[in-house]
Amino acid sequence: DGGITQSPKYLFRKEGQNVTLSCEQNLNHDAMYWYRQDPGQGLRLIYYSQIVNDFQKGDIAEGYSVSREKKESFPLTVTSAQKNPTAFYLCASRDRVDTEAFFGQGTRLTVV
Amino acid sequence: AQKITQTQPGMFVQEKEAVTLDCTYDTSDQSYGLFWYKQPSSGEMIFLIYQGSYDEQNATEGRYSLNFQKARKSANLVISASQLGDSAMYFCAMRDVFYGQNFVFGPGTRLSVLP
Repeated sequence: DGGITQSPKYLFRKEGQNVTLSCEQNLNHDAMYWYRQDPGQGLRLIYYSQIVNDFQKGDIAEGYSVSREKKESFPLTVTSAQKNPTAFYLCASRDRVDTEAFFGQGTRLTVV
Repeated sequence: AQKITQTQPGMFVQEKEAVTLDCTYDTSDQSYGLFWYKQPSSGEMIFLIYQGSYDEQNATEGRYSLNFQKARKSANLVISASQLGDSAMYFCAMRDVFYGQNFVFGPGTRLSVLP
């Protein structure tokens, strides 16, 4: 089945460590997004990419990095520079300009 | 800049009743899309309904309908015949069609359906 796969579902990180969240889609979508969601709040954009090898910062990009080497993959690295990384992370992709975004199941990151 | 406002942090509705979730938006763009998503406790975001800014008729998808009032910049979601499985967070979002690349989300409304 076509869709977006995020892994892992749960991730624990020690302070000072970098961790990478995986996002893979087989929908042949050009655009991909990373959002952060804090408890009881809406989604905030971290990074987005319209095409391979190109990406732009969103509203809260500090402490995060991404790559887009393949159309299907858009991994997010949470670096040690991110001071408060504990949150729920959602990856999404979109096809045409007037269509909805499709979301993965999310990764819940906890700093221990 | 685009902004979405959802003024109802939480709502209760009796099973089988209809409920309206409010959404107002602010944009200077002429062509945009409005979206509603449902987020159950499991966390995934489920697309419900879409309304284009130039669509003359209100969008409907099964039990979901969107009450679109362009002049008032509102895009309220109406859920008819509520079911227990409708209990979830609901997010309103918008995206400029031609120039914007991002979806802007509101803070959400938590809907609880009572048996």
